[in-house]
Amino acid sequence: RKEVEQDPGPFNVPEGATVAFNCTYSNSASQSFFWYRQDCRKEPKLLMSVYSSGNEDGRFTAQLNRASQYISLLIRDSKLSDSATYLCVVIPMDTGRRALTFGSGTRLQVQP
Amino acid sequence: DAGVIQSPRHEVTEMGQEVTLRCKPISGHDYLFWYRQTMMRGLELLIYFNNNVPIDDSGMPEDRFSAKMPNASFSTLKIQPSEPRDSAVYFCASSPGRGELFFGEGSRLTVL
Repeated sequence: RKEVEQDPGPFNVPEGATVAFNCTYSNSASQSFFWYRQDCRKEPKLLMSVYSSGNEDGRFTAQLNRASQYISLLIRDSKLSDSATYLCVVIPMDTGRRALTFGSGTRLQVQP
Repeated sequence: DAGVIQSPRHEVTEMGQEVTLRCKPISGHDYLFWYRQTMMRGLELLIYFNNNVPIDDSGMPEDRFSAKMPNASFSTLKIQPSEPRDSAVYFCASSPGRGELFFGEGSRLTVL
């Protein structure tokens, strides 16, 4: 089983739709979680951290479910500019091998 | 402030040639990471440094790859000899702490 798994998509949604992605992780000792965004042929950029209590940043909401070992990203009122690949990052409590593991990404295409 | 600076942005070389990729991290960041991205394998961590010391190089594919960080403001990733399967985008990222990575624009390597 991969350390971090994401549905590759693509998720094709109309403008204004609400869309959610999940990211599952295998190491129960994982401590820190993040969502990154990567535009086509660009570098990844930090979108938001994921806190245990869940957190919101405008139209974006991130949640953590430790019992089921997944994090989620919810995007409300999708914009064309949200089209990108969304990568989750999981950091284990032990900072040894494979720290900062990225998921393979979920591609979102928002259509007019 | 300048972000992470990588060079060259594009490199086309022939199999067997030596390739050197360069990275200047953001000043004050204690961590530096080298990632490789391909369509098939996604983002793979190759090696990371903390305060110029290599911490985890288990992601380096084989002895043909080497990385150095002689000082806090410069790192290199060298491939010698290069092979076609090394073709990828190589990203350097720096961080003030785990999880919040700032990526360079990447070096796109094509080995013929």
